[in-house]
Amino acid sequence: EVQLVESGGGLVQPGGSLRLSCAASGFSFSSYGMNWVRQAPGKGLEWVSYISSSSSSTIYYADSVKGRFTVSRDNAKNSLFLQMNSLRAEDTAVYYCARDVTVAHAFDIWGQGTMVTVSS
Amino acid sequence: DIQLTQSPSSLSASVGDRVTITCRASQSFSNFLNWYQHKPGKAPQLLIYAASSLQSGVPPRFSGSGSGTEFTLTISSLQPEDFATYYCQQSYRTPRTFGQGTKVEIK
Repeated sequence: EVQLVESGGGLVQPGGSLRLSCAASGFSFSSYGMNWVRQAPGKGLEWVSYISSSSSSTIYYADSVKGRFTVSRDNAKNSLFLQMNSLRAEDTAVYYCARDVTVAHAFDIWGQGTMVTVSS
Repeated sequence: DIQLTQSPSSLSASVGDRVTITCRASQSFSNFLNWYQHKPGKAPQLLIYAASSLQSGVPPRFSGSGSGTEFTLTISSLQPEDFATYYCQQSYRTPRTFGQGTKVEIK
């Protein structure tokens, strides 16, 4: 079964750090670009970051997280990561990882999400 | 950044109704437009990619059309499991922006 499972969410104080993980199974992880998307409480979906299939070739960030978040992947371990530093209250959200399909760059497989709460 | 504006923001409809949601873009980008369904507590689901291609496993009552700056998602006969929030998303340029969402509720 093709599956993505996020982990690492939790409660963190403003200015703190958190590292999210996304474990992939059921497909050739190294062949796909991957994304992080978030949804703040009561809000819509917001794209956060993209990393190409070959780790370092192409990486993009939303302006709202640039300089604070770092995306990476370990193709040998079928895992995607999001290192989040200098966290702010407005980063509070459910974070989803999503597989990027080459055709149209749509997001065809999503995880169930992990909740990040930034609060003192 | 490319802005996407969905209309309406919410709608009430009955089972069996035909429902149309519109997504307007701030600039033209051919057919790099995708549609997703999202239910509370669940993972979003890809319905339509490249404006009009039906994702595998998605019922054919869902269809997409449009190009340039105006796109539509149509549900030909609304079913109970279709009550959800729907998002358009452009994949033409980063940031890969989403529309604000359209919540489809039971009348």
